[in-house]
Amino acid sequence: AQRVTQPEKLLSVFKGAPVELKCNYSYSGSPELFWYVQYSRQRLQLLLRHISRESIKGFTADLNKGETSFHLKKPFAQEEDSAMYYCALSGRKTSYDKVIFGPGTSLSVIP
Amino acid sequence: DAMVIQNPRYQVTQFGKPVTLSCSQTLNHNVMYWYQQKSSQAPKLLFHYYDKDFNNEADTPDNFQSRRPNTSFCFLDIRSPGLGDAAMYLCATRAGGNRYEQYFGPGTRLTVT
Repeated sequence: AQRVTQPEKLLSVFKGAPVELKCNYSYSGSPELFWYVQYSRQRLQLLLRHISRESIKGFTADLNKGETSFHLKKPFAQEEDSAMYYCALSGRKTSYDKVIFGPGTSLSVIP
Repeated sequence: DAMVIQNPRYQVTQFGKPVTLSCSQTLNHNVMYWYQQKSSQAPKLLFHYYDKDFNNEADTPDNFQSRRPNTSFCFLDIRSPGLGDAAMYLCATRAGGNRYEQYFGPGTRLTVT
């Protein structure tokens, strides 16, 4: 079955410290992986997708097919990074129309 | 420049009293979604439309219905809201084809009294 896990429900880091939000998935085939972010009182929005290989707001994520992981990383956390982060996948087995969300990790950056 | 608009942002209804939530989009996207999100949980897909094709999730209660009269608008009807239906309801769109990212509205918070 297709599934996304995020082992940390809550993650607190100090400002300027590196941050890594973990994401693991189960999917037989080639999935599309995403990170969505939800800032306080704002709409859920796409942060980045693996196929773009881009860095958004200093965040990067590398798809590791061997470890079936798609961890989100940033070298120096900022206070404005405090938000809820959802890892998500889509693919042919979900008909691409559907996205399977992980349970989310709430990141808190301490000043 | 709001692209996915949901009205109202807050809705209060009484137990058992039908309620309709609205979503509109200015993106001309083919796919529209309704999600239910309860506190501290991931969004749960209720159903989606690809153009006029309706796709219901297997575990979506019959109490939830949807209409998409045209490309721009999609409605969520809750026929007999129960206390357990109190949640944030998110509308999202996707362009379709090989454009997989979804664009979300701000959500409607439904309270059932």
